[in-house]
Amino acid sequence: DTGVSQDPRHKITKRGQNVTFRCDPISEHNRLYWYRQTLGQGPEFLTYFQNEAQLEKSRLLSDRFSAERPKGSFSTLEIQRTEQGDSAMYLCASSPTTGWDNEQFFGPGTRLTVL
Amino acid sequence: TQLLEQSPQFLSIQEGENLTVYCNSSSVFSSLQWYRQEPGEGPVLLVTVVTGGEVKKLKRLTFQFGDARKDSSLHITAAQPGDTGLYLCAGASWNFNKFYFGSGTKLNVKP
Repeated sequence: DTGVSQDPRHKITKRGQNVTFRCDPISEHNRLYWYRQTLGQGPEFLTYFQNEAQLEKSRLLSDRFSAERPKGSFSTLEIQRTEQGDSAMYLCASSPTTGWDNEQFFGPGTRLTVL
Repeated sequence: TQLLEQSPQFLSIQEGENLTVYCNSSSVFSSLQWYRQEPGEGPVLLVTVVTGGEVKKLKRLTFQFGDARKDSSLHITAAQPGDTGLYLCAGASWNFNKFYFGSGTKLNVKP
């Protein structure tokens, strides 16, 4: 397994457009997390899936954001009507349910620029 | 408002020097993790501390979890240029459904 992959790596869009990002976690990892990271800051939690169930969602996540993990494998994060403030690095991480330290394996991220 | 505060925000030192990075919170965490992130990449886990007062060593890195499980420190001995990066602490909710990251300490080790 090559680790967590994210696609695309970079996305430039105009304000008001919709964008969708994909995350492929490490196979057999039940837990999947989405984060947003802006320059000079640590990752900010967005949402969490256990298998296909979305169990946790940040209150900071506006209605324009939606995430899915339809079959408990890959996940998508969609942002509708993008705003300049959405410009950030979007990180995905996965971890196994077992494992006492719950290590998160992060993907390389998708860098979004909203013009 | 950041749940976890890290200090210092920036640190630039010479190779061979020692340094300590702090991670503080008013909240209690079930566990606390330290990550290192390089530009253009996702964070990579260094260590997880679980028990109050716990000390863990990873080669030249020493991690400590406060007795009350609200704070942690990372000490690097004889820093090397390869240690350069963004160091992040993260606290886990009790069920690991959510992680709170600090704002990070950007370390630059000059040769």
